[in-house]
Amino acid sequence: GENVEQHPSTLSVQEGDSAVIKCTYSDSASNYFPWYKQELGKRPQLIIDIRSNVGEKKDQRIAVTLNKTAKHFSLHITETQPEDSAVYFCAATLLYSSASKIIFGSGTRLSIRP
Amino acid sequence: NAGVTQTPKFQVLKTGQSMTLQCAQDMNHNSMYWYRQDPGMGLRLIYYSASEGTTDKGEVPNGYNVSRLNKREFSLRLESAAPSQTSVYFCASSESTGGVDTQYFGPGTRLTVL
Repeated sequence: GENVEQHPSTLSVQEGDSAVIKCTYSDSASNYFPWYKQELGKRPQLIIDIRSNVGEKKDQRIAVTLNKTAKHFSLHITETQPEDSAVYFCAATLLYSSASKIIFGSGTRLSIRP
Repeated sequence: NAGVTQTPKFQVLKTGQSMTLQCAQDMNHNSMYWYRQDPGMGLRLIYYSASEGTTDKGEVPNGYNVSRLNKREFSLRLESAAPSQTSVYFCASSESTGGVDTQYFGPGTRLTVL
């Protein structure tokens, strides 16, 4: 079946450095790729997303890139801060007119070292 | 505007007991979802409902049933709980518009089956 592989599972970076999380998906029909952040004990929340007709999107310190040919997309966080510590999930979504078929990656636990 | 709400927040069951997890959303979304989250496994879709009156199986439906009571409410039932169903359960709702589908998650229910 379809799946999304996410790497690494854990990541520790020095405050101020950059962090990169990578995902690969199997369903070539996927057309929407959101990233969710989940702080400890909280619910996942959307932080950035990208549609299949776009190669890159930026929002302040975070950016996402998409390579549809390779079925690969990545999250980049620059100038990391303590509040970036959380679990990050990528997802590959196939949007229909009535609902979405979404598959999440297994998550990356990001720790920011002071 | 409460968003997505879930009850209960915590529950402990004995093997073989049954229970229903309740979910409600006030965002007028058509689609609703139930996920389970286990350590290192990310978010796995149990069931979803594209619209009122319809439900479909997700990745891990065995041992669960759902009811889309109306547009606002989507419940998840465990008929005979097993220790393997110990997990955190998240309900979510979304609306696919303009090539975007943001999942809005509830606060989660932490379920332990002894």
